[in-house]
Amino acid sequence: AQSVTQLDSQVPVFEEAPVELRCNYSSSVSVYLFWYVQYPNQGLQLLLKYLSGSTLVKGINGFEAEFNKSQTSFHLRKPSVHISDTAEYFCAVIERSSASKIIFGSGTRLSIRP
Amino acid sequence: EAQVTQNPRYLITVTGKKLTVTCSQNMNHEYMSWYRQDPGLGLRQIYYSMNVEVTDKGDVPEGYKVSRKEKRNFPLILESPSPNQTSLYFCASSLYRSQETQYFGPGTRLLVL
Repeated sequence: AQSVTQLDSQVPVFEEAPVELRCNYSSSVSVYLFWYVQYPNQGLQLLLKYLSGSTLVKGINGFEAEFNKSQTSFHLRKPSVHISDTAEYFCAVIERSSASKIIFGSGTRLSIRP
Repeated sequence: EAQVTQNPRYLITVTGKKLTVTCSQNMNHEYMSWYRQDPGLGLRQIYYSMNVEVTDKGDVPEGYKVSRKEKRNFPLILESPSPNQTSLYFCASSLYRSQETQYFGPGTRLLVL
């Protein structure tokens, strides 16, 4: 069965520093991968997704993620964070064979210090 | 404006009192889904619907019901709420399938006493 692990529940970083939020998944079949962001008191918004093709995916707000099939990872990165990036970030996976059920990770809370 | 709306946004109820949380989207999306969000557990899918009259269980369907009589609406029904259903609930929709961008509603915070 598929599962998603976000090892870091909280990541504090200083403003303008780089950040990496880690996501690992387990699945015996091919998957689609997503990162969603949840700003305080709001619903989730899609940051980026990997469906096929280039393993480096660029999303909104300067974020990017790289799909690594051998390590079953989809880590999210940003070279320089801003206060406005303070939010909770969720990694999610869908097995291509089912294309219906989506599994979310437990989330990583990114806090930016000035 | 394209959006997913949920009502109510906040609800306090008592154990056993049936309630319905409504969800509506104005984007003509076929796929709709309900999630609950709990601290440390992320979002867990309760039910989803691929189209009108087509619904299926997600990972945590126990204690919930859904219906999809019209494309735009996907209500979540708690026939006999219990305190372990206290949570933050999100409805979402996407054009055809879950691998497409899902658009989330603002959330409904439910407290069951």
